[in-house]
Amino acid sequence: EVQLLESGGGLVHPGGSLRLSCAASGFTFSNFAMSWVRQAPGEGLEWVSDINGSGGNTYYADSVKGRFTISRDNSKNTLYLQMNSLRAEDSAVYYCARGRKVSDYWGQGTLVTVSS
Amino acid sequence: QSALTQPASVSGSPGQSITISCTGTSSDVGGYNYVSWYQQHSGKAPKLMIYEVSNRPSGVPDRFSGSKSGNTASLIISGLQAEDEADYYCSSYSSINSVVFGGGTKLTVL
Repeated sequence: EVQLLESGGGLVHPGGSLRLSCAASGFTFSNFAMSWVRQAPGEGLEWVSDINGSGGNTYYADSVKGRFTISRDNSKNTLYLQMNSLRAEDSAVYYCARGRKVSDYWGQGTLVTVSS
Repeated sequence: QSALTQPASVSGSPGQSITISCTGTSSDVGGYNYVSWYQQHSGKAPKLMIYEVSNRPSGVPDRFSGSKSGNTASLIISGLQAEDEADYYCSSYSSINSVVFGGGTKLTVL
């Protein structure tokens, strides 16, 4: 059974940093691209970033480019999102999802709140 | 990376059919057959319902179908059931190496 479990969310001050993790199981992690998608409270889904299976290719939304870094450790079956220079508008539930052009499995999400 | 355009809400009675549209441009919906549809119940993670315009993942009822014409994709739900009440989001691969989502449509089953 495919499982994705996010962690690392929490309350952070504007300008601060957080690193989200997504532990994957139930499939060969290195064979799949992975994505981060976020959803602000009461809002729609927003693609944030994705990475190919080897980790060699990464893509970012303009809204996070230069501040967020996606990475993966295939030996640990874990996806990461390093978030720096956080802003209030980054407050959202962050989901990791398997796949890039199509996301067929999603985690339950981790809440990030950026507030002073 | 502008969002795809979806109606804010649609409604239908049990047993009826509804269609949710998703309009983009030739750089996303019109240019690629990578349109997906996701269902999201309140407080839950999104669930893939349709991928590559018209394909259903295993376990998704055949009441759900998808199509595309030009820059507009559509999700059709036939034989509406109470459990279909949820938010629905379309997404598409985009030519700038990104993924773009629609703003979401709230489906109400009357």
